[in-house]
Amino acid sequence: DVKVTQSSRYLVKRTGEKVFLECVQDMDHENMFWYRQDPGLGLRLIYFSYDVKMKEKGDIPEGYSVSREKKERFSLILESASTNQTSMYLCASRQADEKLFFGSGTQLSVL
Amino acid sequence: EDQVTQSPEALRLQEGESSSLNCSYTVSGLRGLFWYRQDPGKGPEFLFTLYSAGEEKEKERLKATLTKKESFLHITAPKPEDSATYLCAVQARNDYKLSFGAGTTVTVRA
Repeated sequence: DVKVTQSSRYLVKRTGEKVFLECVQDMDHENMFWYRQDPGLGLRLIYFSYDVKMKEKGDIPEGYSVSREKKERFSLILESASTNQTSMYLCASRQADEKLFFGSGTQLSVL
Repeated sequence: EDQVTQSPEALRLQEGESSSLNCSYTVSGLRGLFWYRQDPGKGPEFLFTLYSAGEEKEKERLKATLTKKESFLHITAPKPEDSATYLCAVQARNDYKLSFGAGTTVTVRA
């Protein structure tokens, strides 16, 4: 079975902390994505990567950065966490234009 | 900018009561329209991809259809295990990303 694994299911952080969310896929997919999901707003794209060390901003990149040093791993970084970044974060991967495979999500609370 | 609007926001059904979910979209050249199912506390799971108007796909009690402006997800004789949030997404040609709607939360009562 294909798998996208997010390192944490729940995280609680303090305002101003640097936060790392890790995502690993075992399908050798080229493309990886980070979305956040908020009630009533649906999934919004933060960043995506189409190759190692390559990245592009999505619709809401402010306050976030990403890193993709290896094909299977895509990290989302909150440089200085704020309360408005409390959300469900979903990582996904896909090969070319095929279907997206999602991880189980990380529920982040910033206090 | 791609836009996806799903309606209704929530749908409560009796077991066996068939219904339809709507996904209206605007996109500059459609590459694909995707339907996903999401259970509480989990990531979305893929259901269907539709590529061109007139296309239909079926899986168990679910059937997805596509026109040039909207897609419908028909749920026939639903069971309680069909309770979930159903998400619609579109991808434009020459674009990597999928744009998602806010979803329709379906509750099926026994």
